[in-house]
Amino acid sequence: GAGVSQSPSNKVTEKGKDVELRCDPISGHTALYWYRQSLGQGLEFLIYFQGNSAPDKSGLPSDRFSAERTGGSVSTLTIQRTQQEDSAVYLCASSLGGGTSSTAFFGQGTRLTVV
Amino acid sequence: GESVGLHLPTLSVQEGDNSIINCAYSNSASDYFIWYKQESGKGPQFIIDIRSNMDKRQGQRVTVLLNKTVKHLSLQIAATQPGDSAVYFCAEKDGGKLIFGQGTELSVKP
Repeated sequence: GAGVSQSPSNKVTEKGKDVELRCDPISGHTALYWYRQSLGQGLEFLIYFQGNSAPDKSGLPSDRFSAERTGGSVSTLTIQRTQQEDSAVYLCASSLGGGTSSTAFFGQGTRLTVV
Repeated sequence: GESVGLHLPTLSVQEGDNSIINCAYSNSASDYFIWYKQESGKGPQFIIDIRSNMDKRQGQRVTVLLNKTVKHLSLQIAATQPGDSAVYFCAEKDGGKLIFGQGTELSVKP
């Protein structure tokens, strides 16, 4: 597609339920990133994919968080047993490569609210 | 750990004035930096980038300056317009990932 697409745009879930967030990167982009942004805050790095592998998943806050990428394209971020502190905007970005000077372009994000 | 921080959390300027947003980074090994603009309810939008082998790079109405000696980055916006009102983030490329600062909110007064 023309840009990074994320779905759903908004998600309200009950505490304790599992959620899946989807990211469709720009076609041909091999690198994919997930970030979390709490209200009024900066972007917190979660995980980075190069192709289907994740060389850096150091930002995942707990074992309730996982992500996968298949076919070098679509990625899914899964949060199990959601907690209220998981409420945030989850942003996905992609870049042509994972190299140093490869610019990352962002989607519009998924706003997750845990009630 | 690594961090990228901003000197001013908020900046208010008069329309037509120039704006300067500052950023400090801590990882001296980083060699690529990006400025993003984020409007309310939207994802960050790429503005301009700079590699560490450069001191200055200019775009349309924007200039990024890099001072590696003091690990400082700045974004200059010329003739600031109401449409420039947003939160601006600097980001540092550390290996494969981007590390972001907290952001500066730019408010343009008509």
